[in-house]
Amino acid sequence: GAVVSQHPSWVICKSGTSVKIECRSLDFQATTMFWYRQFPKQSLMLMATSNEGSKATYEQGVEKDKFLINHASLTLSTLTVTSAHPEDSSFYICSARGANTGELFFGEGSRLTVL
Amino acid sequence: GDSVTQMEGPVTLSEEAFLTINCTYTATGYPSLFWYVQYPGEGLQLLLKATKADDKGSNKGFEATYRKETTSFHLEKGSVQVSDSAVYFCALLGYGQNFVFGPGTRLSVLP
Repeated sequence: GAVVSQHPSWVICKSGTSVKIECRSLDFQATTMFWYRQFPKQSLMLMATSNEGSKATYEQGVEKDKFLINHASLTLSTLTVTSAHPEDSSFYICSARGANTGELFFGEGSRLTVL
Repeated sequence: GDSVTQMEGPVTLSEEAFLTINCTYTATGYPSLFWYVQYPGEGLQLLLKATKADDKGSNKGFEATYRKETTSFHLEKGSVQVSDSAVYFCALLGYGQNFVFGPGTRLSVLP
């Protein structure tokens, strides 16, 4: 089946630094990918929709300058958390929709801890 | 807008007990319905799905039937195992082609 891979799985960084998380569709092309944020014991919050070759569409309340999304190819989207602060610590999950079934395939998630 | 409501957790069961996790939805038109499972420290995996009314999705002993008349998609399993301990998310894919997730229900199965 379709596979979506995220990297890194875990990242710890100092406050004020930037962190990049990659999301790759390994065996299919994804024109659209989604980035979610999950707080402990809570559901997924859609942050933005990443569109290949164009600007991402951000959900209300998500700072686009804080969470930079780049979808440079049909198999790669990146999320960069700029000038990270401890409150940005969270579990970030990406997903991509299969072209034929419409099913949503998820990456393994990336846990960010900002010290 | 579209929305998904799930029963509040956490749900704690003994091994081999019967499981039901309720899910109801509100949507325009006829959405596709999904159950996703998230094991500790991992991303989400599709558990089962149903794309039209009266469809039954099933996988790994879990079942859910798309009930249009009650706008429900309850998840059931006849005999749970410790390995089923996870968070279960009900979701819909609506007319706007965006996924909407429920809040998740945490299941703990005790040996």
